[in-house]
Amino acid sequence: NAGVTQTPKFQVLKTGQSMTLQCAQDMNHNSMYWYRQDPGMGLRLIYYSASEGTTDKGEVPNGYNVSRLNKREFSLRLESAAPSQTSVYFCASSDRQRSYEQYFGPGTRLTVT
Amino acid sequence: AQSVTQLGSHVSVSEGALVLLRCNYSSSVPPYLFWYVQYPNQGLQLLLKYTSAATLVKGINGFEAEFKKSETSFHLTKPSAHMSDAAEYFCAVSGYYGGSQGNLIFGKGTKLSVKP
Repeated sequence: NAGVTQTPKFQVLKTGQSMTLQCAQDMNHNSMYWYRQDPGMGLRLIYYSASEGTTDKGEVPNGYNVSRLNKREFSLRLESAAPSQTSVYFCASSDRQRSYEQYFGPGTRLTVT
Repeated sequence: AQSVTQLGSHVSVSEGALVLLRCNYSSSVPPYLFWYVQYPNQGLQLLLKYTSAATLVKGINGFEAEFKKSETSFHLTKPSAHMSDAAEYFCAVSGYYGGSQGNLIFGKGTKLSVKP
């Protein structure tokens, strides 16, 4: 099992450019999450998908959109990147019916110049 | 609303010394509590979890945590620190957040340094 995979690992964007971060899990989990991690801020929830076909805003959704493509895949899109979106992005998944513990991907380090 | 407070953004211990990382939570319902560890340039890895069974929870790498309801605490301890324990540690509580039960609220993290 690969667990949770994320692509790309690193990305540099110019202000105003768009990009999509990809996430996939092979654990048959129902729920998936996108977080951003900034120094001293911990992890903040951007969007989540409690089950296939649903998505909901988290704590910091502005400037982002998501798509739950199928049970395995959950993508995060930045339509017009801003320097404030420079961060490390983590995708996670969980099986809410069994446990709330989440399994994390390795992260995407994004720099917006 | 649920919240998590980790006391001390940086903790430094000597190799072989006791590790104590503090976590206090607030929750209006019985919580599930978690400790995660993040090594440099990696994702988060689950260390241990409390899910309302035993109040003393043992995790990986010799870590354990005790749930104390009266103190709303879930502190992480390890009797003897190793150099390999140097990492950032995050406490998290499950909560009813954003209209949904099952999301996690994370503390801001405590960076542990281990001196030789």
